[in-house]
Amino acid sequence: GAGVSQSPSNKVTEKGKDVELRCDPISGHTALYWYRQSLGQGLEFLIYFQGNSAPDKSGLPSDRFSAERTGGSVSTLTIQRTQQEDSAVYLCASSRDRVNSPLHFGNGTRLTVT
Amino acid sequence: KQEVTQIPAALSVPEGENLVLNCSFTDSAIYNLQWFRQDPGKGLTSLLLIQSSQREQTSGRLNASLDKSSGRSTLYIAASQPGDSATYLCAAQGGSEKLVFGKGMKLTVNP
Repeated sequence: GAGVSQSPSNKVTEKGKDVELRCDPISGHTALYWYRQSLGQGLEFLIYFQGNSAPDKSGLPSDRFSAERTGGSVSTLTIQRTQQEDSAVYLCASSRDRVNSPLHFGNGTRLTVT
Repeated sequence: KQEVTQIPAALSVPEGENLVLNCSFTDSAIYNLQWFRQDPGKGLTSLLLIQSSQREQTSGRLNASLDKSSGRSTLYIAASQPGDSATYLCAAQGGSEKLVFGKGMKLTVNP
């Protein structure tokens, strides 16, 4: 079946512009995660959605970052007034259940802020 | 706060060797420990998931073990092949339900 789909695969934007990154999880997966991966760094947790529960936003680095998940499916990560330090690969993952289900990752969106 | 460590950061070996990749974590209150591989320019691919009640899981040439009390997991790769070259990451899933990742180990298997 189809895996996790992310779009765009690459995004170049000017400093100060807003960007939206999209994630289509695997159908039926209740959990959805956003992570950020910078060169030479590990995966940094950003936000976690589980079913109809309030999302865990504890990893969002500033109030310029926000995310939503509509209808328990597609998710959008929005970065306002982008800064050069926002340049990274943004990875989305979904899993079938809350715990003890393997995460399935998309190929990521490479964001470059010039 | 959970911290996950993978040492060494990189490993280069000749083809055919049996490999041991190490992962340590500081908080033993976990639901599971997961191993992933990442190829350049790609997302992560799930390899194995070991639940906290389990000691090991196997898939083909891969075997992962978990010792919660000592905060360690090990991924064994038997008879390594050039196609095994990738970055391997481990991650612990704890009470917050989010996964905390190590920084990964870059493996190069030379033909």
